[in-house]
Parts: sequence; structure tokens; C-alpha cells
Amino acid sequence: RKEVEQDPGPFNVPEGATVAFNCTYSNSASQSFFWYRQDCRKEPKLLMSVYSSGNEDGRFTAQLNRASQYISLLIRDSKLSDSATYLCVVTRRNDYKLSFGAGTTVTVRA
Amino acid sequence: NAGVTQTPKFQVLKTGQSMTLQCAQDMNHEYMSWYRQDPGMGLRLIHYSVGAGITDQGEVPNGYNVSRSTTEDFPLRLLSAAPSQTSVYFCASSALPGSSYNEQFFGPGTRLTVL
Repeated sequence: RKEVEQDPGPFNVPEGATVAFNCTYSNSASQSFFWYRQDCRKEPKLLMSVYSSGNEDGRFTAQLNRASQYISLLIRDSKLSDSATYLCVVTRRNDYKLSFGAGTTVTVRA
Repeated sequence: NAGVTQTPKFQVLKTGQSMTLQCAQDMNHEYMSWYRQDPGMGLRLIHYSVGAGITDQGEVPNGYNVSRSTTEDFPLRLLSAAPSQTSVYFCASSALPGSSYNEQFFGPGTRLTVL
């Protein structure tokens, strides 16, 4: 089983819609969680960290569910510019290795 | 600041050739790492370093060597290129994972094709 798994999508949504997707992780010792965004043929960039209490950054909301071992990302009022692949990243306590999910592709159409 | 730079951007090799992918960062980051990204598989860690003179293996280290003689530079060497090493390679740097702020900064990537 992969350490971090994501629904690859694609999620095709119209502008203005809300889209949400999850990432599951297998190691209960996982400590830190992040969402990165990757545009086609570009490098990944940090979108937001995921905190235990959940957090928002504008139209983006991230949640962590430690009991069920998943994190989620919700995008409200989708824009064309939100079209990208969203990567889930997990780190473990006392371990310098980051684990990446394969990514969830979101396409926002006009 | 240039951030993380990688050279070359594109490279075509023949099977058996060796080459070095260069990576440099100017943010004084302790942690540097190399990933390869293949379709449907996400980024997989090849090697990483937590400081000058310290390197360790990641998930897929076979066929690759690294060194870290300075804080700034972290080159990745392909010893004898194979078609299975055709991929996009990303270098990243950050403060040490586990520290309070450890955003990974990625270079623009090197697209390698091995014939």
C-alpha cells in the first residue's frame, strides 16, 4: 500500500463551483501535512499547510482527520486559474523524508 | 534571490552514458533533496541531505549518487543511464523537516530522456 494515496481525478467543474477531494495516509506517526499545487510541466509550489484544527486561505479550506487518517482540500468559487494538479504531502515525526501523493487533477471550465 | 536553480532544463542521453544534474540554492537551507516524477506515480525521493557532508538514500536511490560539499550545491549523478531513468527530476530545498517552517522550494526541473 502506498503511504499517501489520492484520487487522481480529473475533477471537471464549472467556474464558481465548489470542489473537494481527499488524501489518505497510511502511517499513523505522520506529523505534518501539506497541499502543494503543480501546474502542467512546472515545479510544485506550496498551497497551504494543514493544521489539526483545520485552516482556510481565501477560497481554500484544508482539514485533517487523524482518526481516519486523511486530509482534505476544498476549493470554493472555483476560478479558471485553479486548474492544476494538487499534491498531498506528508512527513513523519523524526524522519526527514517527505511522502508525496500522485496528485489530484482539477480542471475548471468556463 | 534566485531560489533553487537546476541545470540543464532538458537532456537526452544514450544508454550507458553518465551525467550530473546540477542543483543550487541561495536561501541557506540545510535540507536539500532530489525527486523524480513519473506519470501516475507522484514525486519519489531519490536522495536527500540534511547538511554539508551528510547525505542519505530515499525511496529510489539505485543508479544515482549525490554529494553535498557545500550548503548551496547538491548535484545528482547518474552513473550509467538506463531508459528506466527517463523522467522529470526536481531538486528541492527547505529548512529541516520538523522545524516550524519547512516549505519545500523546488527548482524548475530537468527533463531527461534516455535512449
